Amino acid sequence: KNEVEQSPQNLTAQEGEFITINCSYSVGISALHWLQQHPGGGIVSLFMLSSGKKKHGRLIATINIQEKHSSLHITASHPRDSAVYICAVRGGFGNEKLTFGTGTRLTIIP
Amino acid sequence: EPEVTQTPSHQVTQMGQEVILRCVPISNHLYFYWYRQILGQKVEFLVSFYNNEISEKSEIFDDQFSVERPDGSNFTLKIRSTKLEDSAMYFCASMRDSNQPQHFGDGTRLSIL
Repeated sequence: KNEVEQSPQNLTAQEGEFITINCSYSVGISALHWLQQHPGGGIVSLFMLSSGKKKHGRLIATINIQEKHSSLHITASHPRDSAVYICAVRGGFGNEKLTFGTGTRLTIIP
Repeated sequence: EPEVTQTPSHQVTQMGQEVILRCVPISNHLYFYWYRQILGQKVEFLVSFYNNEISEKSEIFDDQFSVERPDGSNFTLKIRSTKLEDSAMYFCASMRDSNQPQHFGDGTRLSIL
């Protein structure tokens, strides 16, 4: 069973700051998702990655398979980035279910 | 962009009643999932469905739960006799293949009274 830990649990920052959210997991995976959950509850997939680094706009996700660790970075943070960011990992072939972390609540203050 | 749609957005039901949560996955997707999130807790896996059968289920997914893909477009989760602890947000997700990400619906908030 994979244990997925995120840190920090809560993060408050000023607009414009560089944000880092961390995720670690205990068992090897085939892929890792970063998800965004807004106050209404809906979940949006931001990234799926299995190695290296991906970038989309101001968001960057990295993963280190050997260390079982991933980070989500937000550059030039904005109040609209305020949300819960969730890391979720997927097992190997035939085990595509996601195991979720507890999420990081991010608040960006104008 | 195609979306996963879930109905209803909020369902209020008396304890002991049956409830059916509906999902329309993205049309060319082959893998389907139900997850739930109890208020204040993390999202948990319930069941996965592929090739018209359950491929995996969690210990939460007991005999009170069932899933169906009755007509090739809808994917439903039925809870036969609801309990207070079934109150949660239920998310449907679908995926094209294992090289693609899962796409989530906006969820159905289920409240059991």
